[in-house]
Amino acid sequence: NAGVMQNPRHLVRRRGQEARLRCSPVKGHSHVYWYRQLPEEGLKFMVYLQKENIIDESGMPKERFSAEFPKEGPSILRIQQVVRGDSAAYFCASSLRAVDTGELFFGEGSRLTVL
Amino acid sequence: QQQVKQSPQSLIVQKGGISIINCAYENTAFDYFPWYQQFPGKGPALLIAIRPDVSEKKEGRFTISFNKSAKQFSLHIMDSQPGDSATYFCAASKGDSSYKLIFGSGTRLLVRP
Repeated sequence: NAGVMQNPRHLVRRRGQEARLRCSPVKGHSHVYWYRQLPEEGLKFMVYLQKENIIDESGMPKERFSAEFPKEGPSILRIQQVVRGDSAAYFCASSLRAVDTGELFFGEGSRLTVL
Repeated sequence: QQQVKQSPQSLIVQKGGISIINCAYENTAFDYFPWYQQFPGKGPALLIAIRPDVSEKKEGRFTISFNKSAKQFSLHIMDSQPGDSATYFCAASKGDSSYKLIFGSGTRLLVRP
């Protein structure tokens, strides 16, 4: 979905640094979903947010990872003290209403490389 | 029980041939089964999807076959073209958390000219 904008497209961090990934949903969409894709694997659900609320974070690692979707501005996925295992592509999708069909349309992703 | 198993891992098909990718699942609560196509460096794009109330769905050259009793579903690409070369992912989700797609591990398809 060309309407979901993610940046940066590529991010390189050294171990211990912080990574911030941004997702601007399609205009007017108030539901955002983050997925992670490890190399040579399928996507895995991380978190579902609605404006100012976390609805489901069952796929998010308990430590170092956090997500927000403020009233104004993009959704942010924050990874503190990155480790090599965090190297992955992070994809965002958005929807106007709560998804009840499973039809998610993803952005082009942010590729994080941890040195 | 949450897994979706996909095979083969890679597939090479001649132009004009039929590409077949298979997926199997365990959780009978799954009620939505999409297929995604992903080109290198891009996000996955929804290709076609099916619900368990039908056994087949066709859109152009792409067909999903669904076998509820066997808990299996497959993607058939007829008249495969070099432009179809991509990685294909099956997925599944269930009604109360349909946004939480469970993805297969992917099939890398190469269509030779």
